[in-house]
Amino acid sequence: QSVLTQPPSVSATPGQRVTISCSGSTSNIGRNYVYWYQHLPGTTPKLLIYRNNQRPSGVPDRFSGSKSGTSVSLAISGLRSEDEADYYCAAWDDSVTAWVFGGGTKLAV
Amino acid sequence: QVQLQESGPGLVKPSETLSLTCIVSGESIGHYYWSWLRQPAGKGLEWIGRIFKKGNTNYNPSLKSRVTLSMDTSKNLFSMNLTSVTAADTAVYYCVRQDYNEVFDYWGQGARVTVSS
Repeated sequence: QSVLTQPPSVSATPGQRVTISCSGSTSNIGRNYVYWYQHLPGTTPKLLIYRNNQRPSGVPDRFSGSKSGTSVSLAISGLRSEDEADYYCAAWDDSVTAWVFGGGTKLAV
Repeated sequence: QVQLQESGPGLVKPSETLSLTCIVSGESIGHYYWSWLRQPAGKGLEWIGRIFKKGNTNYNPSLKSRVTLSMDTSKNLFSMNLTSVTAADTAVYYCVRQDYNEVFDYWGQGARVTVSS
């Protein structure tokens, strides 16, 4: 049971827009930044979004992050087949002084 | 270029201790945060703990009673010991650097560990 809650899977067709939700509590998402990682099979996780809504250089603007209260969302527009991956949200949790992750969402395109 | 490389046994017997080492090149482990994460097959990422500065640590509460992290700055490596392992500890274990923006930015390739008799 992960501290942060994500849907196990989402699916959409190429070109569409999809959102992946991640819900937590005041002690993690509510008070701290959230990070999103993309994990492709056979590779190591890659940072997509940091500090709730910031994109690192090299990440397409098709990827965006937003936060409201104790929930965050990752939106991916103009879906491509190469976006098929597992997506994880992560945040620091003040109550347990530990990093917590969502259970991951498998995106099917 | 920062590089991390895990090393350790691929097979550990139940009830024994899993020991992994992460050798870091391209950056001093005296800076930043150095974490261990794991991923059981078919499951999500789990943060195990981190070590930083002169050996300060934070641990996942669910593993805290069984995990110990340590660092050797003279060899630029950090290590993890996980005691009393069970089949539930079978996973790919990653050592990871976390920068001061809290980003997990550099990852080892992962060490597959199986707990079995």
